[in-house]
Amino acid sequence: DVKVTQSSRYLVKRTGEKVFLECVQDMDHENMFWYRQDPGLGLRLIYFSYDVKMKEKGDIPEGYSVSREKKERFSLILESASTNQTSMYLCASSSLSGRAYGTQYFGPGTRLLVL
Amino acid sequence: KNQVEQSPQSLIILEGKNCTLQCNYTVSPFSNLRWYKQDTGRGPVSLTIMTFSENTKSNGRYTATLDADTKQSSLHITASQLSDSASYICVVSAGANNLFFGTGTRLTVIP
Repeated sequence: DVKVTQSSRYLVKRTGEKVFLECVQDMDHENMFWYRQDPGLGLRLIYFSYDVKMKEKGDIPEGYSVSREKKERFSLILESASTNQTSMYLCASSSLSGRAYGTQYFGPGTRLLVL
Repeated sequence: KNQVEQSPQSLIILEGKNCTLQCNYTVSPFSNLRWYKQDTGRGPVSLTIMTFSENTKSNGRYTATLDADTKQSSLHITASQLSDSASYICVVSAGANNLFFGTGTRLTVIP
């Protein structure tokens, strides 16, 4: 079974803090994704990576950056957390080329609260 | 504009009853359509995937249908169980690189 793990289930941070969310997948998938999920808005793509050190902006990249130094690990960074970044963050991975083709496997999510 | 709309937003049914969730899309060019189940506090899990040529696909008590002409899909749940309580998300792929997510239907099954 594909396993996608996220470093924290719950996080509480203060405004202005730098926040790191880590995601690890164990199936050698090329593609990895970061989404945020908010009530009534569904999942929105923040960043996408199709290879080590490669990244593409998604629909809402502002205020976020990412890092992919190893194939299995994809990190989401909030440089200076703000209250409007309070949300559920979901990491996903998929194996097929073309990010829309492969089935995405999601991690359990990190619920971030920024005070 | 590429959009995926799901209905109803929420649904409450009695255990053992059947239900049908709807997904309408205006995504082009269509590649495939997936239904995901998301338990509370968890990440989504894929239930079915359908391509243009497929009309029906089943996964246990879940049956998805696709009408590519009218751009509609439905997810039918038979003999519901308490464990079916979750959000169900419709995701439509356009070309190789674009995914469009619906906002989901929240299903609650009560005993």
